Amino acid sequence: EAQVTQNPRYLITVTGKKLTVTCSQNMNHEYMSWYRQDPGLGLRQIYYSMNVEVTDKGDVPEGYKVSRKEKRNFPLILESPSPNQTSLYFCASSFEGLVYNEQFFGPGTRLTVL
Amino acid sequence: EDQVTQSPEALRLQEGESSSLNCSYTVSGLRGLFWYRQDPGKGPEFLFTLYSAGEEKEKERLKATLTKKESFLHITAPKPEDSATYLCAVQAGTYKYIFGTGTRLKVLA
Repeated sequence: EAQVTQNPRYLITVTGKKLTVTCSQNMNHEYMSWYRQDPGLGLRQIYYSMNVEVTDKGDVPEGYKVSRKEKRNFPLILESPSPNQTSLYFCASSFEGLVYNEQFFGPGTRLTVL
Repeated sequence: EDQVTQSPEALRLQEGESSSLNCSYTVSGLRGLFWYRQDPGKGPEFLFTLYSAGEEKEKERLKATLTKKESFLHITAPKPEDSATYLCAVQAGTYKYIFGTGTRLKVLA
């Protein structure tokens, strides 16, 4: 089954404790992206990757890091989480980022930073 | 500044009562406009892509249209299972996407 998976689905942590949210897709997609979704603000793009070893900032990259060492995986790293990073996070992928392709979204990761 | 605005924020319809959702945008270099459906607790699910003004696409009870400044999602004779949040997004520049805040649709039986 074609899908985007995220782990963990739920996470409660404390300020300053480094964490990684994993994202994996099995569709051989070149483009992958991370979003956060907050009430009243909608989905905002954090980082995206056009292909292996190629990443760039979205609209809200502060406090986040990403890497793309393999085509299928695109982990999101919070090196020193803060309460304002409490949010619902979605990973997405599409066949190719330049041409208007639909994005496939993962099920989401709900993160709470105390 | 690139921006996407959706209206209304929330909409309650009786089953069978047709209506339209609006997505207005200001963006330089529009590469595509997308509609997604999001159910509670789930990731957005793709509905349509529109590329150029005048284009229309249909899927069951949904029809999406695009002008140079806005897009409409028309819902004809909705059913309770159409209840969801509908998101509009634009692809700005090359690889960036900008989403609106969505319209929460509730269809009452």
